[in-house]
Amino acid sequence: DTAVSQTPKYLVTQMGNDKSIKCEQNLGHDTMYWYKQDSKKFLKIMFSYNNKELIINETVPNRFSPKSPDKAHLNLHINSLELGDSAVYFCASSQGQTWHFGDGTRLSIL
Amino acid sequence: AQSVSQHNHHVILSEAASLELGCNYSYGGTVNLFWYVQYPGQHLQLLLKYFSGDPLVKGIKGFEAEFIKSKFSFNLRKPSVQWSDTAEYFCALNYGGATNKLIFGTGTLLAVQP
Repeated sequence: DTAVSQTPKYLVTQMGNDKSIKCEQNLGHDTMYWYKQDSKKFLKIMFSYNNKELIINETVPNRFSPKSPDKAHLNLHINSLELGDSAVYFCASSQGQTWHFGDGTRLSIL
Repeated sequence: AQSVSQHNHHVILSEAASLELGCNYSYGGTVNLFWYVQYPGQHLQLLLKYFSGDPLVKGIKGFEAEFIKSKFSFNLRKPSVQWSDTAEYFCALNYGGATNKLIFGTGTLLAVQP
């Protein structure tokens, strides 16, 4: 069973489009995250939710809107995609000091 | 602000060579420290972690790390690398609190030549 699963694995789209990435965890963790890994492999936190409540928003453009319908899901919607949004987006969950990461979604903007 | 530095961006070794990857952090309080590995095209996997106690921590796949508080360091070591260790290695810290997040270093790409 995959602990943290995100879909799609690959996303290729054009500038200006709107797209969503979904994430689900079956670990019963209270906290979920979105991280962005850029072309230089740097991992930076974007958002964190704890029991459906937003607790971290790291100066991410308003075009990015996370949504957590329940504590097992954290989706990421991106409006008006730009070239600079090309990256790998990782979902993660945590409970205490234990983190699990998804396999990532590689977003490519044409 | 809290940060993690990995000074080696790219390391190339031959099989059986010894490995040491540097990690320094900036935070004056109590920290939890981690090393993660990312194999090509895969997600992050935990190698080892340090919370407290013995500063020499042993992890999976023969890796170990030493926490030196006075140097704000948590260097990763392996006595003899294998080709399969080729991957990106990330040091990370967490200092707890209300915003429980992992702060990552910039990563070190290790290439092991057979």
